[in-house]
Amino acid sequence: DAKTTQPNSMESNEEEPVHLPCNHSTISGTDYIHWYRQLPSQGPEYVIHGLTSNVNNRMASLAIAEDRKSSTLILHRATLRDAAVYYCILTYNQGGKLIFGQGTELSVKP
Amino acid sequence: GAVVSQHPSWVICKSGTSVKIECRSLDFQATTMFWYRQFPKQSLMLMATSNEGSKATYEQGVEKDKFLINHASLTLSTLTVTSAHPEDSSFYICSAHRATNEKLFFGSGTQLSVL
Repeated sequence: DAKTTQPNSMESNEEEPVHLPCNHSTISGTDYIHWYRQLPSQGPEYVIHGLTSNVNNRMASLAIAEDRKSSTLILHRATLRDAAVYYCILTYNQGGKLIFGQGTELSVKP
Repeated sequence: GAVVSQHPSWVICKSGTSVKIECRSLDFQATTMFWYRQFPKQSLMLMATSNEGSKATYEQGVEKDKFLINHASLTLSTLTVTSAHPEDSSFYICSAHRATNEKLFFGSGTQLSVL
């Protein structure tokens, strides 16, 4: 399985943008890049995913490097409720299962 | 609202007893569900894939006789921790998707404490 590398932790100020990086240098052509986040004491929730092009939704934006070896999750205006562990995961034809790495713990300061 | 419901949210049991955790897909049929375990300050570890109408597929190192999985209907999968011991204390999370390779919906998790 292709692996991802993320910083263990990041800090942000409330209402400022946050850029969460993810390296996946061994990504294959069929791997999708998924982001999930887990708030304290809850199950993870889907954030966004993409293959090659940048993606936007109501929660965040996903910027994918041209060579696809890295990506960045962008939260445009961080709120205190965005404090969570963010997981960058590669998926391909695994029947839908997700293998989680260590993720990035994001803290947001008021 | 939640599309995957997990019960109970927390359970405390005595060592040696068995505990059953339920995972339901609320507004879609799920032929496949996934069970994860998470220890404090660690990431989620996939335990097994629950397949409706057939045997579950367990990840390497997970004891199938210890963690019994039943997926008897298209909306319900259960995980039974048999003869629980303190080292089984953990946060157990289930997930399901509407279709293969679509995003996963996760339950809210079950905190198991074995005394």
